[in-house]
Amino acid sequence: QVQLQESGPGLVKPSETLSLTCTVSGGSISSYYWSWIRQPAGKGLEWIGRIYTSGSTNYNPSLKSRVTMSVDTSKNQFSLKLSSVTAADTAVYYCARAIAAAAFDPWGQGTLVTVSS
Amino acid sequence: DIQMTQSPSSLSASVGDRVTITCQASQDISNYLNWYQQKPGKAPKLLIYDASNLETGVPSRFSGSGSGTDFTFTISSLQPEDIATYYCQQYDNLPALTFGGGTKVEIK
Repeated sequence: QVQLQESGPGLVKPSETLSLTCTVSGGSISSYYWSWIRQPAGKGLEWIGRIYTSGSTNYNPSLKSRVTMSVDTSKNQFSLKLSSVTAADTAVYYCARAIAAAAFDPWGQGTLVTVSS
Repeated sequence: DIQMTQSPSSLSASVGDRVTITCQASQDISNYLNWYQQKPGKAPKLLIYDASNLETGVPSRFSGSGSGTDFTFTISSLQPEDIATYYCQQYDNLPALTFGGGTKVEIK
């Protein structure tokens, strides 16, 4: 079955750019929407955005000015860049596939990114 | 943005109890609602999509109902392995997806 795995630095300095990659295994990345979702410690879920395998993107309006997503179908990977980070961006970041329009399944295990100097 | 209000924020129930969680949308979202289960330290898991459709492999004690602005998630007989936080998620105004605040379910 399809599995997702996030990777990237666990510590990012304030004002710098957070960069994460999600690797999809057990199936093709093609013909699906792929999303990033984050969760600050002890808090709820926030959808960051999505990318289709064509490269078409949609972002959460509250983060749009700082978010860039990309996809590499040859590597079965998609990526997230979040610029000008602050402590408020500290969270567990999940990647997920969207099925049935916008139901997220499966999810990656999540990766904690801490913003601190 | 469409706001999703979940209630209660937490509950405690006994094994075998019927548990009900509600999710209210700030505007009509038809049946564009999903439910997830998140166990401590784990990623969320899709349980219900399109308000009432049970995801493959999910036990039948879980169910969802509702349309418009008011939705209900039910566990018909609470089991110890159901201890988790449950989230609703709307997708009516794609791409601005939003989640509810979550309901933490504990065993009494």
